[in-house]
Amino acid sequence: GAGVSQSPSNKVTEKGKDVELRCDPISGHTALYWYRQSLGQGLEFLIYFQGNSAPDKSGLPSDRFSAERTGGSVSTLTIQRTQQEDSAVYLCASSLVRGQWNTEAFFGQGTRLTVV
Amino acid sequence: GDSVTQMEGPVTLSEEAFLTINCTYTATGYPSLFWYVQYPGEGLQLLLKATKADDKGSNKGFEATYRKETTSFHLEKGSVQVSDSAVYFCALGSNYQLIWGAGTKLIIKP
Repeated sequence: GAGVSQSPSNKVTEKGKDVELRCDPISGHTALYWYRQSLGQGLEFLIYFQGNSAPDKSGLPSDRFSAERTGGSVSTLTIQRTQQEDSAVYLCASSLVRGQWNTEAFFGQGTRLTVV
Repeated sequence: GDSVTQMEGPVTLSEEAFLTINCTYTATGYPSLFWYVQYPGEGLQLLLKATKADDKGSNKGFEATYRKETTSFHLEKGSVQVSDSAVYFCALGSNYQLIWGAGTKLIIKP
């Protein structure tokens, strides 16, 4: 596609429910990143994929969070048993190769998650 | 670990004023430095970058110089416009991650 696509753009869920957030990166981009942006905060790294593997999952806040990537393309971030503190904007970014921040990483518009 | 500190906002200026948003960093090695911008309702976009000491990044009238001696990468613009109203993020490229500042909201009044 023309850019990084995330869906849904907005999600309101009840506490305790599971949610899935989807990221469709730019075609051919092997590196994919998930970040979380809370109100008034900077971006918090969650997980990084190179191809289908995730060399670094250290940013996932708890074992309720998981992510996968299939076919070296689409990625899904799953949050189980959502809590109110999970409310944030979840951002996905992709780049041609790992660490290519000095060229450009492209960001999606994010999914705004609200847990009520 | 590596970190980025940028000035808190919001910063409110009148149109045509001079802008400085301060950014300092702590890092091992020689990271790349970036400014990203998030316009209302839009995704993050790379504004400018610098990959080594004394490099100056520039775009859309904005400039920032990579100062190793002061570990800074301050964002400047000589004459701001209402359309520059956005949130600006300073970031440091560390291995495969970007380390982010908290963001500075800029409000430009006509």
